[in-house]
Amino acid sequence: DTGVSQDPRHKITKRGQNVTFRCDPISEHNRLYWYRQTLGQGPEFLTYFQNEAQLEKSRLLSDRFSAERPKGSFSTLEIQRTEQGDSAMYLCASSYRLAGDGELFFGEGSRLTVL
Amino acid sequence: DQQVKQNSPSLSVQEGRISILNCDYTNSMFDYFLWYKKYPAEGPTFLISISSIKDKNEDGRFTVFLNKSAKHLSLHIVPSQPGDSAVYFCAAASGTYKYIFGTGTRLKVLA
Repeated sequence: DTGVSQDPRHKITKRGQNVTFRCDPISEHNRLYWYRQTLGQGPEFLTYFQNEAQLEKSRLLSDRFSAERPKGSFSTLEIQRTEQGDSAMYLCASSYRLAGDGELFFGEGSRLTVL
Repeated sequence: DQQVKQNSPSLSVQEGRISILNCDYTNSMFDYFLWYKKYPAEGPTFLISISSIKDKNEDGRFTVFLNKSAKHLSLHIVPSQPGDSAVYFCAAASGTYKYIFGTGTRLKVLA
């Protein structure tokens, strides 16, 4: 297995447009996370899936954001009506263990630039 | 509310010397701690972890120390190499599913 993959790696869009990011986790991992990282900050938790169930959403995830993980495999993160403040690196990570028992495996991220 | 803090945004060290990166946390429920390394335009890469039942964990040139009473952990890299130049994040987790990351320390190892 090649690890967590994210697509696209870079996305430039105009304010008001919708964007969608895809994450393919490591195949045996049932836990999937989305994080956002802005300049000078660490990864900030956005949402978490165990299999297909979305178990928590951060306050950072406004109603313009939606994430899905159909069939408990790949996941998508959609941002509607993008704003300049959405510009960030969106990181996907997966794990097969509980937090407190193993590490997260991160993808290389999808960088969003909103003009 | 920053539960995991890295108060030094940057650190420069001579090649071959020891690098010490520090991290403080506020939530006493955290029982698992991790360090990640991040190069530009890449995702974070796991380095080393430590459970709260230990106070030290070593892996090659990397050692993590945990002081639960002070709610402090540190990462020691010895000897430091130019390829270690990156941003280092500490992260903490409890028995639930969420990992909380610090803001990172940029390490520069000078040849």
